[in-house]
Amino acid sequence: KQEVTQIPAALSVPEGENLVLNCSFTDSAIYNLQWFRQDPGKGLTSLLLIQSSQREQTSGRLNASLDKSSGRSTLYIAASQPGDSATYLCAVLNYGQNFVFGPGTRLSVLP
Amino acid sequence: GAVVSQHPSRVICKSGTSVKIECRSLDFQATTMFWYRQFPKKSLMLMATSNEGSKATYEQGVEKDKFLINHASLTLSTLTVTSAHPEDSSFYICSARDGGGGNTIYFGEGSWLTVV
Repeated sequence: KQEVTQIPAALSVPEGENLVLNCSFTDSAIYNLQWFRQDPGKGLTSLLLIQSSQREQTSGRLNASLDKSSGRSTLYIAASQPGDSATYLCAVLNYGQNFVFGPGTRLSVLP
Repeated sequence: GAVVSQHPSRVICKSGTSVKIECRSLDFQATTMFWYRQFPKKSLMLMATSNEGSKATYEQGVEKDKFLINHASLTLSTLTVTSAHPEDSSFYICSARDGGGGNTIYFGEGSWLTVV
């Protein structure tokens, strides 16, 4: 059964720092991996989707990498801003199954 | 692009009443829809999987008589929380699989349920 973990659970950084969020999964036979953002009281916003055949995806200041063999993905946020403060969720989709979400990383970017 | 619409986004109901949440795929046929629930400071957990025209498959620990799921058409699934209690207050989100679009799964925006 797929299990997804995220490190760190919470992170507080000053504005402008580059930061890395980590996601690990136990079953490497994934279909894709997706990073989401969740603001308090809001729904999920999809940030980046990486297919199993891809190594990374980039969108603006965000870069997500995928290493299937080691069961890891990282989300890199460059030049962090207070508006980046949110919970970041990693979710893994295995063939024929449903998404399994990690517990999330609560990010706080201080002005 | 494909969109999954979830309604209502927020709902407050009295304890003991039932509340229905709708999940619609707006421009594709959703062969499968999934319902998730998120407790505070916890990750999203799958509640049930529904295929159009058949009974939903519930995850262990989810009361199927309490959380009624209907997937009567290829574009609509509903989750009804029956006899709601304050502990049912949570964030509920659906996702839908586009059977004709490479099996891509799209998420709704979620519904915040508060039972008072």
